[in-house]
Amino acid sequence: GAVVSQHPSWVICKSGTSVKIECRSLDFQATTMFWYRQFPKQSLMLMATSNEGSKATYEQGVEKDKFLINHASLTLSTLTVTSAHPEDSSFYICSAFGGGENIQYFGAGTRLSVL
Amino acid sequence: GDSVTQMEGPVTLSEEAFLTINCTYTATGYPSLFWYVQYPGEGLQLLLKATKADDKGSNKGFEATYRKETTSFHLEKGSVQVSDSAVYFCALQYSNYQLIWGAGTKLIIKP
Repeated sequence: GAVVSQHPSWVICKSGTSVKIECRSLDFQATTMFWYRQFPKQSLMLMATSNEGSKATYEQGVEKDKFLINHASLTLSTLTVTSAHPEDSSFYICSAFGGGENIQYFGAGTRLSVL
Repeated sequence: GDSVTQMEGPVTLSEEAFLTINCTYTATGYPSLFWYVQYPGEGLQLLLKATKADDKGSNKGFEATYRKETTSFHLEKGSVQVSDSAVYFCALQYSNYQLIWGAGTKLIIKP
């Protein structure tokens, strides 16, 4: 099946710094990518929908200036957490839509810890 | 609005037991239905799906049937293994590709 690579898998950073997370579709072109946030023992919360070459669509309550999303190519989307704070610590998961089937393929997730 | 409801966990079973995880949905249209599995510390993997009423999705011994009359998509497996321990998410999807998620059900299989 289609593979989505997410990097890094784990990152620790100091409060006030920015962190970039990459999401790549390795063997298919993804016109749409999604970014989710998952709190411990909870379901996924959709943060934004990213379409290649256009601005991301953010869900209500998600700060677009805080969570910068770039989808510059059909195989790469990035999420940058700007000026991270401890409350941004979470598990972030991306998914890519495509690969010839109408389903989302998920990355392995990135665990962000802000000290 | 549309929603997905799953049975609360954790569900604890002994190895080789029969598994059922209930999932019901409310939908205004005709969505596709999915089960995803999340192993500890990992992202989500598609387990199975069904795109229309009466379809049965199956994979790795797991099955679920799209029941429009009862608006359900219950996950079943005849004989679980310790390696099946994970969190299972039921979800529905429309043509805009966004997924509506259930809360997830943690499954614990004891040897």
